[in-house]
Amino acid sequence: SQQGEEDPQALSIQEGENATMNCSYKTSINNLQWYRQNSGRGLVHLILIRSNEREKHSGRLRVTLDTSKKSSSLLITASRAADTASYFCATDAGGYQKVTFGTGTKLQVIP
Amino acid sequence: DAGVIQSPRHEVTEMGQEVTLRCKPISGHDYLFWYRQTMMRGLELLIYFNNNVPIDDSGMPEDRFSAKMPNASFSTLKIQPSEPRDSAVYFCASSGELYEQYFGPGTRLTVT
Repeated sequence: SQQGEEDPQALSIQEGENATMNCSYKTSINNLQWYRQNSGRGLVHLILIRSNEREKHSGRLRVTLDTSKKSSSLLITASRAADTASYFCATDAGGYQKVTFGTGTKLQVIP
Repeated sequence: DAGVIQSPRHEVTEMGQEVTLRCKPISGHDYLFWYRQTMMRGLELLIYFNNNVPIDDSGMPEDRFSAKMPNASFSTLKIQPSEPRDSAVYFCASSGELYEQYFGPGTRLTVT
């Protein structure tokens, strides 16, 4: 079964706008990761946030983690057409290297 | 580094045939993962290795699937016999000391 569920399933925004996607999970985690997948390609790691962290930044990416609600959000600021992709959260569910991927959010950024 | 290398990139085969997918992980990475991605089931972990030893194969669908890692630089995923429901994109990924996984480009398998 899926450990992570992303919301929304699909998101369409104009270039320059911010995009927010959410991930909810079911069991306690050690860390949570976000990945991007461009159409027809493999997944690319974006950012990792540990269970004792609440917020993390990387360039235009901002990730928050609320372990009490078992949820995380990924914010992409000032979106670009090149950000068009599917975004997945991945949780370790207690095992550090083994992760379970969520269902993904498909983001479309319109130029 | 060239990244994770997978071959073939595309495979079309007939039901009942044997299919072998290949993966070369990033040098120095001691974890290797095999995933399957479909529209219906999303991204599923099939099996993963640590230092060439299979650690968890609970995601392998059935006995028709087998995976090996004879050395640190090579792994295979074999399906015998193949069935149409095995059609999917199969990804290999590797990781090292950090938890981030590096994915290969995938093999798109079509079983007719």
